[in-house]
Amino acid sequence: SQTIHQWPATLVQPVGSPLSLECTVEGTSNPNLYWYRQAAGRGLQLLFYSVGIGQISSEVPQNLSASRPQDRQFILSSKKLLLSDSGFYLCAWNPVYGYTFGSGTRLTVV
Amino acid sequence: AQSVTQLGSHVSVSEGALVLLRCNYSSSVPPYLFWYVQYPNQGLQLLLKYTTGATLVKGINGFEAEFKKSETSFHLTKPSAHMSDAAEYFCAVSRAGGSYIPTFGRGTSLIVHP
Repeated sequence: SQTIHQWPATLVQPVGSPLSLECTVEGTSNPNLYWYRQAAGRGLQLLFYSVGIGQISSEVPQNLSASRPQDRQFILSSKKLLLSDSGFYLCAWNPVYGYTFGSGTRLTVV
Repeated sequence: AQSVTQLGSHVSVSEGALVLLRCNYSSSVPPYLFWYVQYPNQGLQLLLKYTTGATLVKGINGFEAEFKKSETSFHLTKPSAHMSDAAEYFCAVSRAGGSYIPTFGRGTSLIVHP
């Protein structure tokens, strides 16, 4: 069966520090992968998606970037975090018949 | 283009009462429709989906939804609420323009009173 892993579960980072969140998928190959952010009291915002290794589409220009170094690995990064980067970050896979989401990372920038 | 409107950011019911969460969509092509549930500090979980075929779809935890094309609606119902149903619920639509990336509603928080 296919599973999706995200880590870490929670993260507290100071303003200006770097960020790296990792998402991996098991049990499938060449998955389409997605990064979403959920800010407090708001809906889901699509940040990036990838249809293959090295292929990244950005939906919202901002302080974040994404990379797909391996087929089943999707990384969300920032060189310098802003307070506004705080939120709940979710990785997802395969939306055609309904996403499978990871368990999320709660990021608090202080 | 596609869009989703969830009526009511909060819905409050008593335990044992009917749950009705409303979702209206717009789509230029036949839509795929989804309901997801999110418990605190967890990822979203797919409750049910409509793609083609039978318009009444059943999902997990006793939930069901009916696709009504004439009303452009996909309301989520459950005959009897449980305390464990308290969560955030998201409606989503996809398929417009050949992309399967869904558009999500802003979510409805279901509160269940004992």
